[in-house]
Amino acid sequence: DIQMTQSPSSLSASVGDRVTITCRASQGIRNDLGWYQQKPGKAPKRLIYAASSLQSGVPSRFSGSGSGTEFTLTISSLQPEDFATYYCLQHNSYPFTFGPGTKVDIK
Amino acid sequence: EVQLVESGGGLVQPGRSLRLSCAASGFTFDDYAMHWVRLAPGKGLEWVSTINWNSGFIGYADSVKGRFTISRDNAKNSLYLQMNSLRAEDTALYYCAKDLTAAVRGYFDDWGQGTLVTVSS
Repeated sequence: DIQMTQSPSSLSASVGDRVTITCRASQGIRNDLGWYQQKPGKAPKRLIYAASSLQSGVPSRFSGSGSGTEFTLTISSLQPEDFATYYCLQHNSYPFTFGPGTKVDIK
Repeated sequence: EVQLVESGGGLVQPGRSLRLSCAASGFTFDDYAMHWVRLAPGKGLEWVSTINWNSGFIGYADSVKGRFTISRDNAKNSLYLQMNSLRAEDTALYYCAKDLTAAVRGYFDDWGQGTLVTVSS
């Protein structure tokens, strides 16, 4: 099975900060990776697909990069509505696996 | 507008069974693969199971293989998860999610709001 790790597991940031979250796969997954945002009591929402493609309707301050085993999600200027937990998901092979999540909260 | 509405959750004793349903609307259901994903208390998201458009391909997480069965009824625009031999560690909010295509691609495009399963004596 492909293991996904994320770092950091949590971070505190201020509105306007640039935030970067890293996701690493235990083996190469090409660009078969998505990023999801989940707020408490809400369903997850896809932000990025194919590692770097922005989902329609998602603000352009979100961006994704990477291929193979290392990926990043960047929020260029953190907004109040961005405080949430972020997950990466690999769908290169079964079982599909999520990263453990990164909780972004207010400093 | 895509709508996915899960139901069937509740409190169940260990070892018992439960059947979850996901009613789909706003899209042509049999044009898409579907998934179940869960979120356990204090834990992260976990992919549970996947089914392609015509039930010709099905996949399960190791944690549920042999105990859970995914199915769909395209005539009723519905997805199901039959959960047998439930364990305390199956306690979670269960989401259904729609894929991007009829074949399983792993793009979790749209999600329901979830149904809560609690396994406890």
